[in-house]
Order: sequence, then C-alpha cells, then structure tokens
Amino acid sequence: GQQVMQIPQYQHVQEGEDFTTYCNSSTTLSNIQWYKQRPGGHPVFLIQLVKSGEVKKQKRLTFQFGEAKKNSSLHITATQTTDVGTYFCYQGAQKLVFGQGTRLTINP
Amino acid sequence: DAGVTQSPTHLIKTRGQQVTLRCSPISGHKSVSWYQQVLGQGPQFIFQYYEKEERGRGNFPDRFSARQFPNYSSELNVNALLLGDSALYLCASSSRTSGGSSSYNEQFFGPGTRLTVL
Repeated sequence: GQQVMQIPQYQHVQEGEDFTTYCNSSTTLSNIQWYKQRPGGHPVFLIQLVKSGEVKKQKRLTFQFGEAKKNSSLHITATQTTDVGTYFCYQGAQKLVFGQGTRLTINP
Repeated sequence: DAGVTQSPTHLIKTRGQQVTLRCSPISGHKSVSWYQQVLGQGPQFIFQYYEKEERGRGNFPDRFSARQFPNYSSELNVNALLLGDSALYLCASSSRTSGGSSSYNEQFFGPGTRLTVL
C-alpha cells in the first residue's frame, strides 16, 4: 500500500538550533499535510500543501512540497521548548496514511 | 464550539472481551475517521465514514467494526480483544471525506481513548 517514509525518527537539539524533518513517498502525492502531537496529546493540524514546489511559512516553521510532489519537509528555525513533540506528515488524498513521525526533544 | 469528543478516556479490558468506543464530531462535520496509535508510532488508519457510509478501511481484521449514526457520531467496536490491541484510539472529524487533488480535509482529532488489554 501507499506509504510515506519519514526521517529522522528522533532528533534532539539544543534550544535555538534548527530542526528539519523529511517525508518521502514512492508515488506522486495529491497533497500532503503536517500534524504535531505533543507528548500525551493528540495530533493537531499544522498545514496542507497542494501545489508542486509550494512553500508555506508559519512564523518559525517552513513547509515545502517537492517539485515532483513525492517529498516534503518541515523546517523549524531557532527551536523553542514549545516545539517539543512528534511531527507527522500525512497524505489523505488516496489513502489516509501517516508517516512514522519525527520526535523532537529540546535541551533548554 | 466543542471540539471532537471521545469516550471513555481510559479503558481496561481483558483478552477475549469486546469494547465499544464512541466519538462525537465537531458540529457540522460529516466525516469521521478512526485511527489506532501504538506507543511510539504514527496513527494507523482503521475506518472512515462519511454521511453514514463507510468510505475507507485500513488493514485491520474483521474484529474491528464501526458505524456512523444519523447525527454523525460514531462508534468503533473491537471484538475478541488481543493484547496487541492495547493502544490509543483516535477519532478525527472533518467537513468532507478524503479524496481528490483539491480536497481540503483538515482533520480535527479528539483526545483519544486509551485502551489497555490485560
């Protein structure tokens, strides 16, 4: 079945450092969504990307959709302790599939 | 407005028992999806319902079943529980079903039901 592979599985950074998680698919995606799940919480929608090469920004978060619409990335600039959590990519157009997630921990 | 609600919050069952989990979507949302999240993993899709009809099913055994009611609330049933069914069960509602390149189907998740099977 269709899957989205997400790397890395874990990332530990010092507060203030940048963070990036990558999502890759073997097939072309119609769109991709990103969610954040805080420890003990539930996934919360961050953004949806639809267009080839699309780039969207939310404050310190930058989301990109690859030109071939097979990969996507989430980049956080100057991490803060509030960024702690697991970030999931998700494709829901063909099948409802979450990536494995990247768990971000931050040393204050 | 209330968000997605799920009940119960926590549940402890023994192997072989049956369980029913409940979900109320955001008012106006007609689509409900169920996910199983094992600790340390991403949510795994179980079912999607839209307008009371099943629109999608993940790779789960027939012990898992669901339904959606006229008020768009939903129930997930799991029969003959196994230890491996222990997980967080998430319900998500959206205003439309999945599918289509231009569909915008942001999902709103409930807090989940933590099921422990002993």
